[in-house]
Parts: sequence; C-alpha cells; structure tokens
Amino acid sequence: QSALTQPPSVSGSPGQSVTISCTGTSSDVGSYNRVSWYQQPPGTAPKLMIYEVSNRPSGVPDRFSGSKSGNTASLTISGLQAEDEADYYCSLYTSSSTFGVVFGGGTKLTVL
Amino acid sequence: EVQLVESGGGLVKPGGSLRLSCAASGFTFSSYSMNWVRQAPGKGLEWVSSISSSSSYIYYADSVKGRFTISRDNAKNSLYLQMNSLRAEDTAVYYCASLKGMDDYWGQGTLVTVSS
Repeated sequence: QSALTQPPSVSGSPGQSVTISCTGTSSDVGSYNRVSWYQQPPGTAPKLMIYEVSNRPSGVPDRFSGSKSGNTASLTISGLQAEDEADYYCSLYTSSSTFGVVFGGGTKLTVL
Repeated sequence: EVQLVESGGGLVKPGGSLRLSCAASGFTFSSYSMNWVRQAPGKGLEWVSSISSSSSYIYYADSVKGRFTISRDNAKNSLYLQMNSLRAEDTAVYYCASLKGMDDYWGQGTLVTVSS
C-alpha cells in the first residue's frame, strides 16, 4: 500500500489562501470519494476537517474546503489564520481487501 | 460524548509482545468498523489495521501482517490489538479510530516503545 503523495510543507501569510494537494492513482483516489483531511497540531490527535472529498463537519470553519480532480484531492484554506498552523493529512478509506485505509505523508503548514 | 480511550502501551523489548485495548463510549460501537492507526515519533500517520462491525472483515497493513491481530468485543464496547514479534520500527503512538466519514472518532493514543 503506497502512501498518498502530499507536499512536505506549504506556507502563507495571514489572510492568504493555501492549497495542499494529495495525489494518488486511478486505483485509489481516482476511484473512491472517501477522501478525508485531518489537522494535527503538535502533541494532539488528528481532527477531521473534511470528509468525502468536500464535506465539512459541523464546527469546522467554512474557510476550509476540499475538492478532487482525477487522481488528486486538494484542501484549500482561505483567510489563513495563525491558529491554522499544523500538520495536515489526507486519507482514503475503502472497503477493498487490497487496502483498508491509506494516509498521505503529511504537510506542515506554516503561517508566516 | 464520544470517547475512545486506549491503554496497554509501554516499553517492550524487541521480539516481545503487547496487547492494546480501546474502550469506547458515547456511540453505538457495535455498528462501526474500527481501526488502529499509529504515528512514529516525528513521522506521519500510518494505518495499521481495520475490523468490520461484526468482525467479518479484517485488514492489515503489510508492515504488520502476520505479527499483529486485531479483534473486538462488542459486548464490552472494546477494540484490541495484539502485537507480537515487536520491532524497533513499531515504536509509535497507537490510536484507535473510527475513520468513517463524518462519524470520525479518535482516542488520545497510547505510546508503544520497542527498545532493548
């Protein structure tokens, strides 16, 4: 099971927008819509920010949005705030016997 | 309030065994597939294993296949991970998690350290 590919780091200034990509293949991201995004500040458990590509759980600001095109899913954070600085992970959940869940390698977001 | 509480972590020598437990409350545990996810120090998240609600379907990551065994007891609202033949590279915080769309619940994690 290969991890999904994310950029190691992204950065942006307060108020700007940043996009984090999550690239897989036609066999995983391209075939399933169960893509989730997690935010993980240091020393804490991951927090769900986006599920099923583009859905936001209640309580997550609408500054966070998700999308997918082909084999790449994306998380966009608009109106960047200092509190957004954290590690972000994408994940893909399947019921396939080939693999159950696969995570991206993670992206460190720095708010300048 | 949904709670997942892991326990059983600790220091173990290479080749040793450990059994992790996860106690669930605040949701219908027996209706959910459950997962173990780990995170090595300073590294990313790694899915370890999944078990369906009735234990009919079980999956493992290649890195733990043949060494780890996932199980559950729906009567006790509990998830388990039996870890045998532990290696240094198994050192990580182990989380139990539901990972099911908006019904996404995580515990606080339990640290497993494999070292001589």
